[in-house]
Amino acid sequence: NAGVTQTPKFQVLKTGQSMTLQCAQDMNHEYMSWYRQDPGMGLRLIHYSVGAGITDQGEVPNGYNVSRSTTEDFPLRLLSAAPSQTSVYFCASSYGTSQGTQYFGPGTRLTVL
Amino acid sequence: GQQVMQIPQYQHVQEGEDFTTYCNSSTTLSNIQWYKQRPGGHPVFLIQLVKSGEVKKQKRLTFQFGEAKKNSSLHITATQTTDVGTYFCAGGGSQGNLIFGKGTKLSVKP
Repeated sequence: NAGVTQTPKFQVLKTGQSMTLQCAQDMNHEYMSWYRQDPGMGLRLIHYSVGAGITDQGEVPNGYNVSRSTTEDFPLRLLSAAPSQTSVYFCASSYGTSQGTQYFGPGTRLTVL
Repeated sequence: GQQVMQIPQYQHVQEGEDFTTYCNSSTTLSNIQWYKQRPGGHPVFLIQLVKSGEVKKQKRLTFQFGEAKKNSSLHITATQTTDVGTYFCAGGGSQGNLIFGKGTKLSVKP
């Protein structure tokens, strides 16, 4: 199993550009989530999904959209990038509920100029 | 909302010294999980504790869950350079969510 994969690993955007961070898992996990990690702030939940077709907002959802058309994929869209969105983004999945063991992807390092 | 406070934020130790990080919640947690993130890496699951007063060991690592299920600790005996990284706790909240602490960054001087 590949586990949780994320692409790209690195990305530089200009303010106002849009892009999609890809996340996929091959473990048939129902629960998937996106976190951003900033120095001193820990992991903050952006959006999550409890299954295909179901998404919900986390702690810091503004400026991001998600969709879950399949169990495997959970892309994160930045609508109009801002410098405040410079961060490391992690996708995670777990079997069953949000309180199960989280399997994290390798992360995407995003810089917005 | 519910928060899980983790201390200290940073810890610098000499190789061979012990290390402890603590997590505290003002409300009862359904479970506590611990993760390790190596520099430049992603968080990796270490362990989950569910029962009140539970203690689990993994080689030099000892994990405890408090009697009231509001606090937890991770203790590393005789640290090694391979222990370097950030250790996160994550508590199961009352709304079915998982609440991450902000992490303790451990550095080990050889």
